[in-house]
Amino acid sequence: GAGVSQSPSNKVTEKGKDVELRCDPISGHTALYWYRQSLGQGLEFLIYFQGNSAPDKSGLPSDRFSAERTGGSVSTLTIQRTQQEDSAVYLCASSLAAVPSYSGNTIYFGEGSWLTVV
Amino acid sequence: AQKITQTQPGMFVQEKEAVTLDCTYDTSDPSYGLFWYKQPSSGEMIFLIYQGSYDQQNATEGRYSLNFQKARKSANLVISASQLGDSAMYFCAILGTEGGSNYKLTFGKGTLLTVNP
Repeated sequence: GAGVSQSPSNKVTEKGKDVELRCDPISGHTALYWYRQSLGQGLEFLIYFQGNSAPDKSGLPSDRFSAERTGGSVSTLTIQRTQQEDSAVYLCASSLAAVPSYSGNTIYFGEGSWLTVV
Repeated sequence: AQKITQTQPGMFVQEKEAVTLDCTYDTSDPSYGLFWYKQPSSGEMIFLIYQGSYDQQNATEGRYSLNFQKARKSANLVISASQLGDSAMYFCAILGTEGGSNYKLTFGKGTLLTVNP
């Protein structure tokens, strides 16, 4: 697709249920990032993929959070046994590669998945 | 650890005037990238401008320019001829490895810009 696509755009779930959030990056982008943004707050890094591997999982807040990426493309962020503090916007981003000095490189974000845990 | 500091929680500017949003960064990496994003109330993160650490010239994209002062570790965003639609939250971010081999994009806390008619 033309941009980073995320689904669902909005999700309301009951506390204790599992949710899956999907990210479809820009075609050809090898780097993929997940961030979380709580209401009125900045962006909190969750996980980064280079291809299918996740060299940095340090941002995942607890073992209830996991993510995978298959075929170097689509990524799924799974939250098990959701809690109210998981309510946030989950943003996915992608780039050609994580090479910061390449002037033509940039990181594009999807529109986010708004998660509300009730 | 790499870090972005945005010292202005909020800024006001009159329509058609220029405004500078401050960003300072801290990193031990010799190679890094600096980004500015705009986040309107609708929530999407819109890429504005990018500056690589080895780029000799300051980046420009339309009404946006990045005042990159490497020695001062400063990457301020200048918006010329402000428009009402520029009202939004603006985030500065750095892409680097934090001395390791894995890249991370670290954001500042943002500056809320309000353009007055």
